[in-house]
Amino acid sequence: AQKITQTQPGMFVQEKEAVTLDCTYDTSDPSYGLFWYKQPSSGEMIFLIYQGSYDQQNATEGRYSLNFQKARKSANLVISASQLGDSAMYFCAMREGEYTGNQFYFGTGTSLTVIP
Amino acid sequence: NAGVTQTPKFQVLKTGQSMTLQCAQDMNHEYMSWYRQDPGMGLRLIHYSVGAGITDQGEVPNGYNVSRSTTEDFPLRLLSAAPSQTSVYFCASSDSRATYEQYFGPGTRLTVT
Repeated sequence: AQKITQTQPGMFVQEKEAVTLDCTYDTSDPSYGLFWYKQPSSGEMIFLIYQGSYDQQNATEGRYSLNFQKARKSANLVISASQLGDSAMYFCAMREGEYTGNQFYFGTGTSLTVIP
Repeated sequence: NAGVTQTPKFQVLKTGQSMTLQCAQDMNHEYMSWYRQDPGMGLRLIHYSVGAGITDQGEVPNGYNVSRSTTEDFPLRLLSAAPSQTSVYFCASSDSRATYEQYFGPGTRLTVT
């Protein structure tokens, strides 16, 4: 089974609108971390936001928020007030195995295009 | 701070050749990892290390070797390159005392002909 599933290969959003990028995960580990990264066309990987499995509140970082629904095993990224510079690939990732070495798993990504 | 550095940026190899991709970090991170990124596949973990002298396999370790003799360096060796190893390779390091947020190098684009 896939550890991280991103079901939206491509998304479009109007500038200044909000957009939600979906991510579901699969783990039986009680302690894990969830991450979102942005990869612009230049290729670098940019960390956006982190959510720990024990965190009670949804993580927020500026215009980014993570909608964490633990029972559903989902960790959707919400980008508010989209900007043209938000056009990029977005990857959801999970760290599991805190006591067995910590492995990371990435989803296949969502390509976001912001339309002026 | 240079962060995570990788060399070379681009490399072309012939099938059967060997080479080492270099990775170094100056953030004193214990955790380091190597990924490959292929179109439509996201990033897949090749090998990782939780500290000097300790390495372990990730999802796709076949055809690659690693060692970790210092905290700073984590080279990835291709023993006998194959066309299936054509990919973009990323090295990353994480602070294991915090959230494990990963800092990525700029990547190496490898083509095997």
